[in-house]
Amino acid sequence: DQQVKQNSPSLSVQEGRISILNCDYTNSMFDYFLWYKKYPAEGPTFLISISSIKDKNEDGRFTVFLNKSAKHLSLHIVPSQPGDSAVYFCAASDPGNQFYFGTGTSLTVIP
Amino acid sequence: NAGVTQTPKFRVLKTGQSMTLLCAQDMNHEYMYWYRQDPGMGLRLIHYSVGEGTTAKGEVPDGYNVSRLKKQNFLLGLESAAPSQTSVYFCASSYRLRQPYEQYFGPGTRLTVT
Repeated sequence: DQQVKQNSPSLSVQEGRISILNCDYTNSMFDYFLWYKKYPAEGPTFLISISSIKDKNEDGRFTVFLNKSAKHLSLHIVPSQPGDSAVYFCAASDPGNQFYFGTGTSLTVIP
Repeated sequence: NAGVTQTPKFRVLKTGQSMTLLCAQDMNHEYMYWYRQDPGMGLRLIHYSVGEGTTAKGEVPDGYNVSRLKKQNFLLGLESAAPSQTSVYFCASSYRLRQPYEQYFGPGTRLTVT
């Protein structure tokens, strides 16, 4: 059973607008959450992360929000740029350092 | 630094054949991981290692074996390949106890089993 879910397989956004990617999880033991970006024919690359003791982490145009009570996190990209077009994976880590990935959301930023 | 490299990049196997995928990292990371990526399934952890000489099972370990004889290398073996093992395989590595715990991924190996 999928412990990390990304229910939107794809998202299209106009350049300059905000992109919001969502992720839900079921395991309350997850203590660390990460977002990865993946281009075709390449491995995922780390984007941003958040500890379960925080509710927000910001890095430039990227902000991750964590709502523990709802078991939900989101990635905001502002402003969106065409180079942001990629597949974004949400991941969660348990105290045993195992990582669980979502199925990914394909973001297209339209110039 | 080369980061994480994987060998080979592509491979086609017949059912029942065996092969070994090699992962190498030059960042002195302690943790290493093998994932498979299938359409609609995201990345699923096969096996991982928390240090030289140690390995552990992940979510989908059946049909695979691993070895970590040297800190910089992590091998994934398929003893008797099955069509269900057709997938893209990614290796990753990370520091043991250093936030933000991100993993560094290799470019992937595309395996087809006919």
